Amino acid sequence: QQPVQSPQAVILREGEDAVINCSSSKALYSVHWYRQKHGEAPVFLMILLKGGEQKGHEKISASFNEKKQQSSLYLTASQLSYSGTYFCGTDTTSGTYKYIFGTGTRLKVLA
Amino acid sequence: DAMVIQNPRYQVTQFGKPVTLSCSQTLNHNVMYWYQQKSSQAPKLLFHYYDKDFNNEADTPDNFQSRRPNTSFCFLDIRSPGLGDAAMYLCATTRTGDSREQYFGPGTRLTVT
Repeated sequence: QQPVQSPQAVILREGEDAVINCSSSKALYSVHWYRQKHGEAPVFLMILLKGGEQKGHEKISASFNEKKQQSSLYLTASQLSYSGTYFCGTDTTSGTYKYIFGTGTRLKVLA
Repeated sequence: DAMVIQNPRYQVTQFGKPVTLSCSQTLNHNVMYWYQQKSSQAPKLLFHYYDKDFNNEADTPDNFQSRRPNTSFCFLDIRSPGLGDAAMYLCATTRTGDSREQYFGPGTRLTVT
């Protein structure tokens, strides 16, 4: 079952914040977050493991709520370079290393 | 630099003519993946190898096959491409352990005429 992301699309001005949510119908072992620019391969941002802490670097961070089977990606003080499509990738079973991508969120940052 | 390489970057094939896409990696990762990505959609997992163990997704068409002759190389064979198989094909790798970071190749854009 493909994880569902919300919102589907968001437009920001430089410096604004955004939150992208990823919701699964199955219990999650780990969640990856990726950013993909048009015509390029996805780029790994971070991973959150079951039982792990919230992660982040600079202005991008993420949280993982195991009970709700959800993860959220937080983008603060957005920059033009943040534009792209964001995907969560979920692994529902420990040890399989099988990742299913979420539905995606298109983010555009305007000057 | 260690990386994931996909060849060719662009492939044009005719309807029904078999085609093979290749992926190689210098990362010595033990898990390799093939994803299909159509325009404005998320990457869709087709197969993955965990060491030598092959894992086929239930909804991957029989028309798609894969081979992994050694740790570094992986191939995607499309036996009889249809127009609906036109897509970007992405190869990715990871190493088992806590890191679990997936490294993607640049992709092969397949066009079916």
